[in-house]
Amino acid sequence: QKEVEQDPGPLSVPEGAIVSLNCTYSNSAFQYFMWYRQYSRKGPELLMYTYSSGNKEDGRFTAQVDKSSKYISLFIRDSQPSDSATYLCAMSDQGAQKLVFGQGTRLTINP
Amino acid sequence: EAGVAQSPRYKIIEKRQSVAFWCNPISGHATLYWYQQILGQGPKLLIQFQNNGVVDDSQLPKDRFSAERLKGVDSTLKIQPAKLEDSAVYLCASSQRTLLMNTEAFFGQGTRLTVV
Repeated sequence: QKEVEQDPGPLSVPEGAIVSLNCTYSNSAFQYFMWYRQYSRKGPELLMYTYSSGNKEDGRFTAQVDKSSKYISLFIRDSQPSDSATYLCAMSDQGAQKLVFGQGTRLTINP
Repeated sequence: EAGVAQSPRYKIIEKRQSVAFWCNPISGHATLYWYQQILGQGPKLLIQFQNNGVVDDSQLPKDRFSAERLKGVDSTLKIQPAKLEDSAVYLCASSQRTLLMNTEAFFGQGTRLTVV
């Protein structure tokens, strides 16, 4: 069993839709939860960073962490064609000695 | 602030040849990571350095891969000999280190390796 599971998609939605991306994990030691966005032929860039459980909002993006279910989500409101990218969840334990990534979900927003 | 620099951007080699990748992290970042990203997959950690010491190399195929970080700054990753399954993007990332944790990891653009 992989430490982090993420549906690879691909996911295609119309512009303006609400997008929900999800990851599950098995390691209960994970405390830090991140979402990275990766455009084609580019390196990943950090989008959201959350510690422990709860919600965090940044503009059109909302990250949720449910540690009891070992489940994290990223919501994108009013999605734009420029949001088309691969979204990677990542997580690490206390002390952040190791950053573990999910498989990535390829998202396309259609104009 | 300059980002993480990697070179070359692209490399095509024949199997059994050797190849080396170079990474210059963000100035002052103590932690440096090398990840392998196969097409359609998430990045897989190969090796993590804290200054010039190795923190984690459990997933580095040590019979063919080697990495070093001299003087705790630049790093090189080498593959010798290369296999077809080594075709991937090799990502370098760096982060600061506080007393409690590493902060955000910044990634370079990666080196796309094709082994034919």
